[in-house]
Amino acid sequence: GAVVSQHPSRVICKSGTSVKIECRSLDFQATTMFWYRQFPKQSLMLMATSNEGSKATYEQGVEKDKFLINHASLTLSTLTVTSAHPEDSSFYICSARDLFGGQETQYFGPGTRLLVL
Amino acid sequence: TQLLEQSPQFLSIQEGENLTVYCNSSSVFSSLQWYRQEPGEGPVLLVTVVTGGEVKKLKRLTFQFGDARKDSSLHITAAQTGDTGLYLCAGGEGSYIPTFGRGTSLIVHP
Repeated sequence: GAVVSQHPSRVICKSGTSVKIECRSLDFQATTMFWYRQFPKQSLMLMATSNEGSKATYEQGVEKDKFLINHASLTLSTLTVTSAHPEDSSFYICSARDLFGGQETQYFGPGTRLLVL
Repeated sequence: TQLLEQSPQFLSIQEGENLTVYCNSSSVFSSLQWYRQEPGEGPVLLVTVVTGGEVKKLKRLTFQFGDARKDSSLHITAAQTGDTGLYLCAGGEGSYIPTFGRGTSLIVHP
């Protein structure tokens, strides 16, 4: 199946700093990527939809100025957590939408664990 | 907003037992996907069902899409410890963003 990578896999940062997470589709092009946040033993919560060449669409309650999303190319989307605080510590997962064969499928990255001290 | 309810939320069984996980909604979905997620990793797609009444088998896993395309079930036969994980269903309607259920956390004890 298709492969999606994330970098870094885990990051520890000090409160007040910014952290950038990359999401890449390795063997297919994705006009749409999604960013999710997951707390321990809970399901995925959609944060925003990243659209190549246009602004991201944020879910209700997600601060767009805090979680900056850039979809610079058909294979790369980045999520920047600005001025991170301990409550931002979480598991962040991206996914990329593949439309191959007329059937839409989402492929997920391995996730990035963020710990803000 | 389309909502997906998964049940049970937690399941703890012995190796060799059978189990069924359910995914229900009041909305119709054009497709429904099942994922398995292990701790610290991203979800891995298991199957996509698109036709009402469709049944798909993946080794010991059997997936069924309801006739009305509002619900789905995942049945595991003779569970193994390697089946342990979080099982997520996600429904999509056209080009809309798939909605995820809360997940079923399965633990299979040796």
